[in-house]
Amino acid sequence: QVQLVESGGGVVQPGGSLRLSCAASGFPFTNYGMHWVRQAPGKGLEWVAFIRYHGNNKYYGDSVKGRFTISRDDSKNTVYLEMKTLRPDDTAVYYCAKDRADTWSDLGFDVWGQGTMVAVSS
Amino acid sequence: SYELTQPPSVSVSPGQTARITCSGDGLAKHYVYWYQQKPGQAPVVIIYKDTERPSGIPERFSGSSSGTTVTLTISGVLAEDEADYYCQSADSSGTHEVVFGGGTKLTVL
Repeated sequence: QVQLVESGGGVVQPGGSLRLSCAASGFPFTNYGMHWVRQAPGKGLEWVAFIRYHGNNKYYGDSVKGRFTISRDDSKNTVYLEMKTLRPDDTAVYYCAKDRADTWSDLGFDVWGQGTMVAVSS
Repeated sequence: SYELTQPPSVSVSPGQTARITCSGDGLAKHYVYWYQQKPGQAPVVIIYKDTERPSGIPERFSGSSSGTTVTLTISGVLAEDEADYYCQSADSSGTHEVVFGGGTKLTVL
């Protein structure tokens, strides 16, 4: 079945770095764009980053631009989120999500992972 | 930047109809998705492309669109429908961003 499994979360000090991974299975990974979405404790959903199916275009939310980098390894069916200069307000559950159609006029998520927790604290 | 506005909360009795609105200037140009999220769980898509329902989603969930407002309707609400609901769309006019509404807590009385 279609599945996304995130890993790499944990506790990190402010200013530190962390790399999240999302392993995909059950669908042709190279055909789909992939996203990261986060949710701070008790708060709503916030889009973080998007990588197109071909990997040539990447987009970021304003709050993470310049600090986070999304990438993909099609040989491993895996998407990554490299996070640097972490701040306490980056504390959240980070979800990996599969894009349904990979077109900006119809952009949304049809499969979500279970999430991985990132806590930024000294 | 682009914003989507939802009511923070909606309350209905079992068997009644719940309507959750989502408004935003760009909704006339971009489709909306709706997600249901229960405590401690990942979101699940319940409506895509404004009105389409994925397989496995009950028929009591439906979506409609009118100009810059979209509406999620839950007919014959069940206790199990109590959850947070989020609308989501995108903006490709300049910044290329994905946007979520603030979420609506549906309470089944």
